[in-house]
Amino acid sequence: DAKTTQPTSMDCAEGRAANLPCNHSTISGNEYVYWYRQIHSQGPQYIIHGLKNNETNEMASLIITEDRKSSTLILPHATLRDTAVYYCIVRVYNNNDMRFGAGTRLTVKP
Amino acid sequence: NAGVTQTPKFQVLKTGQSMTLQCAQDMNHNSMYWYRQDPGMGLRLIYYSASEGTTDKGEVPNGYNVSRLNKREFSLRLESAAPSQTSVYFCASTPGGTGVGGANVLTFGAGSRLTVL
Repeated sequence: DAKTTQPTSMDCAEGRAANLPCNHSTISGNEYVYWYRQIHSQGPQYIIHGLKNNETNEMASLIITEDRKSSTLILPHATLRDTAVYYCIVRVYNNNDMRFGAGTRLTVKP
Repeated sequence: NAGVTQTPKFQVLKTGQSMTLQCAQDMNHNSMYWYRQDPGMGLRLIYYSASEGTTDKGEVPNGYNVSRLNKREFSLRLESAAPSQTSVYFCASTPGGTGVGGANVLTFGAGSRLTVL
C-alpha cells in the first residue's frame, strides 16, 4: 500500500479555511484516500474518503489531484473544536491492514 | 446503537499479571481491529480480524493474543503484562464487503487506558 507524508504540525486562524496536505506519490489505481482526526485522547473519527473525484460532506472537502499523488483536506471554517491530529491513510478498499502514520497536528487559534 | 464498546475504560496492572480487554460492536461489521497509542504517539495496529474466524498480526503483535469470539466481539489478551504495554488501547471495526471505499471506514471505540506498574 502507498505510504503517506504529512506535515508534522500546522496552525490555522479560527474562522479561516484549514488546508491539510497529504502526499501519496506511490498510490495505485484502486487505492482510496481516507482522512480521520483524533481530538485529544478520544478515539479517532472518520472524516471523509475518496478515490479520484473531489468529495464533500458536512465536515470537510477532499481535493485529490488529477494524478492522485497528493490530496488536501479542507475544513472550510475552522473552529477551536477542530484542533486535533489529522491522519491521511491510503488503502485498497478491501485491505484490512489499516495502519496510521504520525498525522498532522492542527491547532486552530483564536 | 452504541457503535463500538470497550471494557474496561481504565485498568492498572502489576508486571506479570494478565488481563483481557473486551470489544463489542453492534453495527454488523465484518472486520475488527486493535490499536495501541502511546503518549504523544500515533496509532499502531496490534492485530486485526478481517472476518469471523480469522485473525492477523499487525505492526506490534508481540506480547498480545486475540480472539474473535463471534462476529460482534474481538478481545485482546495480555498474558504477562509489562510496563512497555502501558498505553491507550483502541478497538475499531469496518463494514467490510466489496467494491466500495466505504467498506474500509473505521469506527473506533472510546479507548481503554492501561497502566502496568
